[in-house]
Amino acid sequence: QVQLVQSGPEVKKPGASMRVSCKASAYTFTDYGITWVRQAPGQGLEYMGWINPQNGYTKYGQKFQGRVTMTTETSTSTAYMELRSLRSDDTATYYCARLLSGGPLDYWGQGSLVTVSS
Amino acid sequence: SFDLTQPPSVSVSPGQTATITCSGDKLGDEFASWYQQRPGQSPVLIIFQDDKRPSGIPERFSGSNSGTTATLTITGTQPMDEADYYCQAWDSNTAVVFGGGTRLTVL
Repeated sequence: QVQLVQSGPEVKKPGASMRVSCKASAYTFTDYGITWVRQAPGQGLEYMGWINPQNGYTKYGQKFQGRVTMTTETSTSTAYMELRSLRSDDTATYYCARLLSGGPLDYWGQGSLVTVSS
Repeated sequence: SFDLTQPPSVSVSPGQTATITCSGDKLGDEFASWYQQRPGQSPVLIIFQDDKRPSGIPERFSGSNSGTTATLTITGTQPMDEADYYCQAWDSNTAVVFGGGTRLTVL
């Protein structure tokens, strides 16, 4: 069955960078986009951007442009999301999700909790 | 881009019908999806393309989308349906757009 397995929890200092990985299995990685979504504690879902693993095309949410980079490694079916210049309000659970044509996100990773604290 | 607005909370008695709305200026021109998120878990897709259910989603979940409002309906609500629900659409400028979420309480 389709699985997206994410990297483990991290604690980062303000100003540092974070990178979350998302390893896909049981489907052809280049056939579907990967979307990144985050959720601050007690808050709703926030779209960060998406990447097309077939050609590397990215579309970032306006809030994150200039501070986020999404990449993929097709040889290992892994997607990465790097967020720089971390602030305390970047503390959140970060999810990757498989993107179907037209927008639905049909499979989600288990989430990666990143805590930003001095 | 456009915004999607959901009521923060909805309450329903077990066995009754729960209705959760999602409003947006251009929503009727796009496909809407719905996600269920239980505490401590990842979101689960329960409706896509307005009214389609993924495999394994119970028939009591249904969706519609017309004009500026998409609606998630849960018929015969069960205690296990207590969760947060999010609508989502695709915008050509922004890509993925989420509503703010609705907490469904079954009491």
